[in-house]
Amino acid sequence: SQKIEQNSEALNIQEGKTATLTCNYTNYSPAYLQWYRQDPGRGPVFLLLIRENEKEKRKERLKVTFDTTLKQSLFHITASQPADSATYLCALTPRDDKIIFGKGTRLHILP
Amino acid sequence: GAVVSQHPSRVICKSGTSVKIECRSLDFQATTMFWYRQFPKKSLMLMATSNEGSKATYEQGVEKDKFLINHASLTLSTLTVTSAHPEDSSFYICSAPDRELQEKLFFGSGTQLSVL
Repeated sequence: SQKIEQNSEALNIQEGKTATLTCNYTNYSPAYLQWYRQDPGRGPVFLLLIRENEKEKRKERLKVTFDTTLKQSLFHITASQPADSATYLCALTPRDDKIIFGKGTRLHILP
Repeated sequence: GAVVSQHPSRVICKSGTSVKIECRSLDFQATTMFWYRQFPKKSLMLMATSNEGSKATYEQGVEKDKFLINHASLTLSTLTVTSAHPEDSSFYICSAPDRELQEKLFFGSGTQLSVL
């Protein structure tokens, strides 16, 4: 079956360190992979999109990698801050199909 | 980035009543909007695709008579939960795609529906 897996356990990171979140998928061939941030009681906010032929994308303190062989994306936040605490959703778009979201990983940045 | 406004943010209603949720694209026109439902600690589940000027496309298992969608203009889509029951209590979120890159979505702030 097709699955997107994100670590369901909350991730606690000390302020200033790099937070790394993982997104694994099976039985998909995504054309795009995205990361969104969602705060409690709010809608998701787009962060980064990476295409299947790209290996890495950066935006300020954020970095996304995409390994289509491993079927995995890593999302990094460098110099993490308490304001980065949120749930981060991985989403992929298979070719000729609609976007599918993972359950998200809760990130806590500890001051 | 583009702004999608969703209203109301929270609604509490009695069982059997109908609730309307509005989703507006504030600074762009959206021929397509998506309606999602999210349960706590669960992933966003696409309910339907709202198409301006035509019928909505519903995902498998979503009752179109239960969840009425209207997309009468290029900036407004509405979702009406008819004859709401406690099991309809959930977080409903709308989104619109970026005009240049359809895969990138702009989301509304969501509506928490509680049916008593």
